Amino acid sequence: EADIYQTPRYLVIGTGKKITLECSQTMGHDKMYWYQQDPGMELHLIHYSYGVNSTEKGDLSSESTVSRIRTEHFPLTLESARPSHTSQYLCASSEFYREASPLHFGNGTRLTVT
Amino acid sequence: SQKIEQNSEALNIQEGKTATLTCNYTNYSPAYLQWYRQDPGRGPVFLLLIRENEKEKRKERLKVTFDTTLKQSLFHITASQPADSATYLCALGGGTSYGKLTFGQGTILTVHP
Repeated sequence: EADIYQTPRYLVIGTGKKITLECSQTMGHDKMYWYQQDPGMELHLIHYSYGVNSTEKGDLSSESTVSRIRTEHFPLTLESARPSHTSQYLCASSEFYREASPLHFGNGTRLTVT
Repeated sequence: SQKIEQNSEALNIQEGKTATLTCNYTNYSPAYLQWYRQDPGRGPVFLLLIRENEKEKRKERLKVTFDTTLKQSLFHITASQPADSATYLCALGGGTSYGKLTFGQGTILTVHP
């Protein structure tokens, strides 16, 4: 049973709107990640955090931003949504001190920008 | 740049047979490799971890091998069941990645009754 929660599960929104995708975890994990996944494609890391007030951009360039004010919360924001942002966004967390610690994923937010 | 390739986008097998999934990588020297299962509309779920100094790991009906010379991992599901049908992802990590994983595109496994 996943202890990492993403809301909303589905979001359809018009171009130019500001959106925030929520991600919360109850495991006390320091590391958190946002991955982007298109159908049939690999997951691409877009943002990660190693703890409160720590955020870094991932391997795939993204116009989104993230914040980490609390350990359990790692929201992703798009200031002005565009159709090219249509994708599935997956949030994950892992333990900090365990090498090769597995990622715990939420069930994702499927975003459609019209 | 780092590249991960998983064998054939889709694999179809009969119930009871062994499914073998392949993960090949280039331009990478991972310290460990992980396998995940992903069901439609859900996030990936961790299955197995194997480190570079390990040749083989087992968990119930699952077995994974890791050959750093061939730059390849094989993932086996023995006595497969229709409930094993899902997309299986391999992911590599280690070195300076600090816990970040690089994922393959996945193999869709379908087990027919």
